[in-house]
Amino acid sequence: GQQVQQSPASLVLQEGENAELQCNFSSTATQLQWFYQSPGGSLVSLLSNPSGTKHTGRLTSTTVTKERRSSLHISSSQTTDSGTYLCAIDRNNYAQGLTFGLGTRVSVFP
Amino acid sequence: GGIITQTPKFLIGQEGQKLTLKCQQNFNHDTMYWYRQDSGKGLRLIYYSITENDLQKGDLSEGYDASREKKSSFSLTVTSAQKNEMAVFLCASSIEADQDTQYFGPGTRLLVL
Repeated sequence: GQQVQQSPASLVLQEGENAELQCNFSSTATQLQWFYQSPGGSLVSLLSNPSGTKHTGRLTSTTVTKERRSSLHISSSQTTDSGTYLCAIDRNNYAQGLTFGLGTRVSVFP
Repeated sequence: GGIITQTPKFLIGQEGQKLTLKCQQNFNHDTMYWYRQDSGKGLRLIYYSITENDLQKGDLSEGYDASREKKSSFSLTVTSAQKNEMAVFLCASSIEADQDTQYFGPGTRLLVL
């Protein structure tokens, strides 16, 4: 089945710094979503971006489908950005649901 | 907008017990999912359902049953809880199964003594 690798595993930032999170996957994805998981555990969808570049607020995602990779750029980080960022792709072409990476844990300090 | 609610928030069970987790959504979404999250592992799909009374196995269905009684609700049963098991069960929904954003509930935290 699909595999998703995220890097780095963890990241420490000072408030105001930018960050780049990487997601690599094992075969072509028709779905790709970035999620934020708060320290309390709830999961929120940030962006759905199977190809190209998308922006929302201070977040930019760029997915290069042929190279099986996606990135999430956080600009001007804030302490409230602290948490885990998860990348997920479709399980495969004929099954539903998502396959998730282990995530990047981001800690932003003032 | 809409919301997904999961009950209970915390579930403590005994080894061998049958435990049921419930999920409700008011998005009017067709597809619902159950995922399991273990420390150090990515979320894994247990079951999903594309419409009322439909059930499809995910990657981790052994040891679980599911039920889609109506469009808005999706239940998951742990058929025999394993000793020292500790995980978070997350319910999600989407309009359709393909190429669509999934929305997640707050989770049910399971601990088996």
